[in-house]
Amino acid sequence: QVQLQESGPGLVKPSQTLSLTCTVSGGSFNSVGYYWTWIRQHPGKGLEWIGSIYYSGSTYYNPALKSRVFISVDRSKNQFSLKVSSVTAADTAVFYCARHFERDGMDAWGQGTTVTVSS
Amino acid sequence: SYELTQPPSVSVSPGQTARITCSGDALPQEYAYWYQQKPGQAPVLVINKDSERPSGIPERFSGSSSGTTVTLTISGVQAEDEADYYCQSGGSSDTFVHFGGGTKLTVL
Repeated sequence: QVQLQESGPGLVKPSQTLSLTCTVSGGSFNSVGYYWTWIRQHPGKGLEWIGSIYYSGSTYYNPALKSRVFISVDRSKNQFSLKVSSVTAADTAVFYCARHFERDGMDAWGQGTTVTVSS
Repeated sequence: SYELTQPPSVSVSPGQTARITCSGDALPQEYAYWYQQKPGQAPVLVINKDSERPSGIPERFSGSSSGTTVTLTISGVQAEDEADYYCQSGGSSDTFVHFGGGTKLTVL
């Protein structure tokens, strides 16, 4: 059974870069057809897609965030990462990593990690 | 920008049927997915590709699609079904991921 676990600093200063990593265990990370995705949830609000990286390495970003977001993969460590630059208080949220296969829904999620942007 | 529209809240008594709708112009061309999220927890996929129920999801959860609207139906609602529910579309190489705003299901 695949498991995803987010990790990274819980506190980031304004204007700095937020960096998170999702570690995938239990298989499938290098399998054909999977998308590895970052999603955030502002306090008390709904889910917001940040972006995804396909098994091939192709990336897809939310147009609203595209200028500040970068997603990469480290296959040797079964990890994919998120960077959000020039953060403000509006980036304070719970960040989730998740996976889905081709046109299936997101069937595996990390537990989420809270990131607060504050000086 | 493209939006998926859900009602903010739905309330039902235990044992009744809850229906949560999600509307979007692209839904006739894209699959929809439904997630259940309880407080402090990650979302859980309860309906895949409009109407498929993933393994482990109770039979009382079902999904349907008609034109630009998809519907999550929970038959015989139980207290444990009280949660936020989100619809989602897209997610392949030619369509971005979109989430609806979420619907809070209250079991009276």
